[in-house]
Amino acid sequence: DAGVIQSPRHEVTEMGQEVTLRCKPISGHNSLFWYRQTMMRGLELLIYFNNNVPIDDSGMPEDRFSAKMPNASFSTLKIQPSEPRDSAVYFCASRRVGTRYNEQFFGPGTRLTVL
Amino acid sequence: GENVEQHPSTLSVQEGDSAVIKCTYSDSASNYFPWYKQELGKRPQLIIDIRSNVGEKKDQRIAVTLNKTAKHFSLHITETQPEDSAVYFCAGGGGGSYIPTFGRGTSLIVHP
Repeated sequence: DAGVIQSPRHEVTEMGQEVTLRCKPISGHNSLFWYRQTMMRGLELLIYFNNNVPIDDSGMPEDRFSAKMPNASFSTLKIQPSEPRDSAVYFCASRRVGTRYNEQFFGPGTRLTVL
Repeated sequence: GENVEQHPSTLSVQEGDSAVIKCTYSDSASNYFPWYKQELGKRPQLIIDIRSNVGEKKDQRIAVTLNKTAKHFSLHITETQPEDSAVYFCAGGGGGSYIPTFGRGTSLIVHP
């Protein structure tokens, strides 16, 4: 199993540009999470999906952020327009709801830099 | 919702010493407490977890203890090695959906 796959691994963009981050969860997992990690705020949950349905997006900072999960094997996190304060590492994680330990498996992350 | 506090934020030890990281949680319904290790530039990875029906769990040099009454849990690393240097995150949560709330992390530095 390849694990959770994220792309791109690094993204450098200019303020005002649209950014799209992509995630492929582990096959068979039915729950997906998007996190943002910064030194100042630690690991923040942005949104999570169960069976492709967004359950809680209360962590999404503002309307500039949106996330979709069109099917069980793909999710996107979009920032439009991007701002320098969005610079962070964005992690996607997946798990199989109902497994004994609820373990989350994280992807390698996307390091976003907004100039 | 759940609130998880983690201390200390930084911990520096000599190789061979023990390290202890402590977390407290607020929601008495929380029933699952994982610990993640994140090496520099890498993803968080689960190293050990404990459920609320267990008071202690051990896996080689690492152990986790849980005190439900006091709502705190701790990670213990014995005989620390330089490769233990990383940021460690605790998390708490519960219920059927189990959405973890992460602590702010502890940067552990093990000096050779």
